[in-house]
Amino acid sequence: SQQGEEDPQALSIQEGENATMNCSYKTSINNLQWYRQNSGRGLVHLILIRSNEREKHSGRLRVTLDTSKKSSSLLITASRAADTASYFCASNTGGFKTIFGAGTRLFVKA
Amino acid sequence: ETGVTQSPTHLIKTRGQQVTLRCSSQSGHNTVSWYQQALGQGPQFIFQYYREEENGRGNFPPRFSGLQFPNYSSELNVNALELDDSALYLCASSRSTLLAGGPSEQFFGPGTRLTVL
Repeated sequence: SQQGEEDPQALSIQEGENATMNCSYKTSINNLQWYRQNSGRGLVHLILIRSNEREKHSGRLRVTLDTSKKSSSLLITASRAADTASYFCASNTGGFKTIFGAGTRLFVKA
Repeated sequence: ETGVTQSPTHLIKTRGQQVTLRCSSQSGHNTVSWYQQALGQGPQFIFQYYREEENGRGNFPPRFSGLQFPNYSSELNVNALELDDSALYLCASSRSTLLAGGPSEQFFGPGTRLTVL
C-alpha cells in the first residue's frame, strides 16, 4: 500500500478526555500534515510540521514528529463532541505527491 | 469553509460510461491535486496540475485524465468507468509546490460522490 498507517483505527472517548492518534510513514519527508474530515466530506487542514521540527501546537492540538522512527502523533486535549471526525496524517517528500494514511475515526461522547 | 468548490455533488453512472468532474480553486492558488477516497479509506493521490501542466501522477491508469485551465480551475475525466471507481473524488488547491520545503497546506473542496452501477 502507498499509504502510511494510523493507529488506532478507531477511538471512542468521553468529552473532556484527551485523544492521541499516531501515524507512521515509510520514506523520508519534507513535511507532515494532519487533516480532519467530517462525515465523508472535504478535508480540513489542521496543522503542518516540517521535518526539522519536533513539536508544534495549535490551540488544543499538539503534534509531534520523530523522523528517526518515521512517526508522528496528534494529541487533542479536552476533547469536545464536535471533535468527532476522522483524522488523517499526510506525508510529503518534497515533490508533488502527498500520501495519506487510512485515518483514525474519533468518537467523542457527550 | 474553503474557497474550493466542486461539481456536481453527487453523480450516478453505469459501467463503461465517461464522467467529468469539476473543481474551482481557491483564489491565489495555482496548483490543483485530485484524490480518490474509497469508503473507509484515506484519500489516494491521482495527479496534480501546476500552471496547466500535469506535475505528477499517482498509481492510476491512463483512463483517469485531467485538465487545468488558465484560471486554475480543473477537470477530472474518467473513461470506461468501472464499479471500483465508485468513491468520493476530492480536489485540493494550494500554492506552488516548487517552493523549497514542499507544498503548503492544501485546501480541499467538499468532494463529488461518484457511484458506478
